[in-house]
Amino acid sequence: NAGVTQTPKFQVLKTGQSMTLQCAQDMNHEYMSWYRQDPGMGLRLIHYSVGAGITDQGEVPNGYNVSRSTTEDFPLRLLSAAPSQTSVYFCASGTARWNYGYTFGSGTRLTVV
Amino acid sequence: AQRVTQPEKLLSVFKGAPVELKCNYSYSGSPELFWYVQYSRQRLQLLLRHISRESIKGFTADLNKGETSFHLKKPFAQEEDSAMYYCALRASNTGKLIFGQGTTLQVKP
Repeated sequence: NAGVTQTPKFQVLKTGQSMTLQCAQDMNHEYMSWYRQDPGMGLRLIHYSVGAGITDQGEVPNGYNVSRSTTEDFPLRLLSAAPSQTSVYFCASGTARWNYGYTFGSGTRLTVV
Repeated sequence: AQRVTQPEKLLSVFKGAPVELKCNYSYSGSPELFWYVQYSRQRLQLLLRHISRESIKGFTADLNKGETSFHLKKPFAQEEDSAMYYCALRASNTGKLIFGQGTTLQVKP
């Protein structure tokens, strides 16, 4: 049982490049979310999903796209990377069956130069 | 809109001293509150949820709706408690889980 798997663990992008951060969970959780973690800012919600085919914006959605075609996968797309998107990104999943306690991935450290 | 505030960036105590990590929230509905912990170089882990009224690793937290607070307490801090602690609120009407800014707990020997 792998839990929540994020790839890659590290990535360096040039300004203007696009990329997709992958997130997969094998616990059949209905809820999935993406967060960014910045010093002094805590964890900020980018996008979230309450089930396959349903997504919504969080606190800081600009510059990011998501889709949820299956229960297991929730990729995060950076359309045109900017230095302000340098951060650590966490994916998480949760379920009402466990009182919504979320399980987190190990994170992706992204640097945009 | 929902908001979670953790007023202390850093809390430093000596081993054996009591600990209280503060968390205040703003939400018009019925809140569901959580504490998460992130040890050095590890992923975030759920510590406890208010709905379960748990005591995990000696930590407890009580939801005070009148003061809109969910402070995390431990009577005697241990060095292994040193970590980053996040308070989080789940909005029942949207399913969003919103986090505070986090508090670093440093327990000195």
